[in-house]
Amino acid sequence: DADVTQTPRNRITKTGKRIMLECSQTKGHDRMYWYRQDPGLGLRLIYYSFDVKDINKGEISDGYSVSRQAQAKFSLSLESAIPNQTALYFCATSEEGPPGANVLTFGAGSRLTVL
Amino acid sequence: SQKIEQNSEALNIQEGKTATLTCNYTNYSPAYLQWYRQDPGRGPVFLLLIRENEKEKRKERLKVTFDTTLKQSLFHITASQPADSATYLCGENRDDKIIFGKGTRLHILP
Repeated sequence: DADVTQTPRNRITKTGKRIMLECSQTKGHDRMYWYRQDPGLGLRLIYYSFDVKDINKGEISDGYSVSRQAQAKFSLSLESAIPNQTALYFCATSEEGPPGANVLTFGAGSRLTVL
Repeated sequence: SQKIEQNSEALNIQEGKTATLTCNYTNYSPAYLQWYRQDPGRGPVFLLLIRENEKEKRKERLKVTFDTTLKQSLFHITASQPADSATYLCGENRDDKIIFGKGTRLHILP
């Protein structure tokens, strides 16, 4: 089984629908992240969480929300999806290491298409 | 503003040659830089991390350098192979979150 599992892997939805992307990990890491990837724009950070009670906005949090249900689970929600949220979404984890040295373990990605 | 940039969107290299990818940063000095590999349809995979007080780091055919004067990190793949074809991302740790450049797509031509 993968260390970081994302569901669904692919989703097509319509404008205005609520969508949840889920992420679970078996790494035992405290830190979890959500990124989106668009062609030509690279990976951009949406939200991150350093423990169950901690939620932080990233570079592009507008239109998204997250929930850290447990150490191992971090879900990303789009309350009302719009076409420009069509992208490849990645969940990642890291352990709390020396400052600056935390390395990310990524999931396989969730491809979301909003029509 | 602080920026991390990978200037080459794509790079074609002949098999057997050394591929060199560039990561530049402006208006700040990161303490660490990380390099990841991403294959199509997959998540990035960590390759190497280099600290600002390290000039060079190696792992098999991979080498990363960190030049704080030029504000640049170079990522080298020696004796390149078609299997090295992928997108390579550099990232820096900013307040415990990793911010990435846009990546460079590397094509190793047989």
